[in-house]
Amino acid sequence: AQSVTQLGSHVSVSEGALVLLRCNYSSSVPPYLFWYVQYPNQGLQLLLKYTSAATLVKGINGFEAEFKKSETSFHLTKPSAHMSDAAEYFCAVSGGDYKLSFGAGTTVTVRA
Amino acid sequence: DTAVSQTPKYLVTQMGNDKSIKCEQNLGHDTMYWYKQDSKKFLKIMFSYNNKELIINETVPNRFSPKSPDKAHLNLHINSLELGDSAVYFCASSRGSNEKLFFGSGTQLSVL
Repeated sequence: AQSVTQLGSHVSVSEGALVLLRCNYSSSVPPYLFWYVQYPNQGLQLLLKYTSAATLVKGINGFEAEFKKSETSFHLTKPSAHMSDAAEYFCAVSGGDYKLSFGAGTTVTVRA
Repeated sequence: DTAVSQTPKYLVTQMGNDKSIKCEQNLGHDTMYWYKQDSKKFLKIMFSYNNKELIINETVPNRFSPKSPDKAHLNLHINSLELGDSAVYFCASSRGSNEKLFFGSGTQLSVL
């Protein structure tokens, strides 16, 4: 079985500051890991996906995530926050059984 | 063209009623899903179909019945609606297991 834990249900950053969202996973098989973003009243969109090809994964909108097997982590970062980054972010894990398990989500607010 | 479209966007109904939500994808994907997002934003898979065959049924009450008439459509019928069914229901599709999910924009169901 696979699961993810997102540390921090709410993160507030200043515009231009680093965004860091934490995700730890648990998986009995080599995991496929994802970060999705949800803007208000919309469905989820993929930010990036880890597939074991490279431990540092670059995604859309300047986001990237690093897979660390020793720490069972897949944290999401963006060097400089923009007002448009305000949204809900979800970490998710899949183990090849069609079940994508989501974390509880982290709400990001960006202060001007 | 919208990749995954679901209707209606909003559904307000009385307890005990029966309602349906429709979903269509034009991406040529083999796999479709229904997810439920509760008021705390937690996302949980309900059903998954692969090539019109049910492959995931996650302890959902049998008042919920999915139907996939073809690979491009996955509808959700709910009988005898209860207050606790109030949530946002998302349809999604993917090429297969471990692949990126494409989400619809959601159906906000309110049971009064």
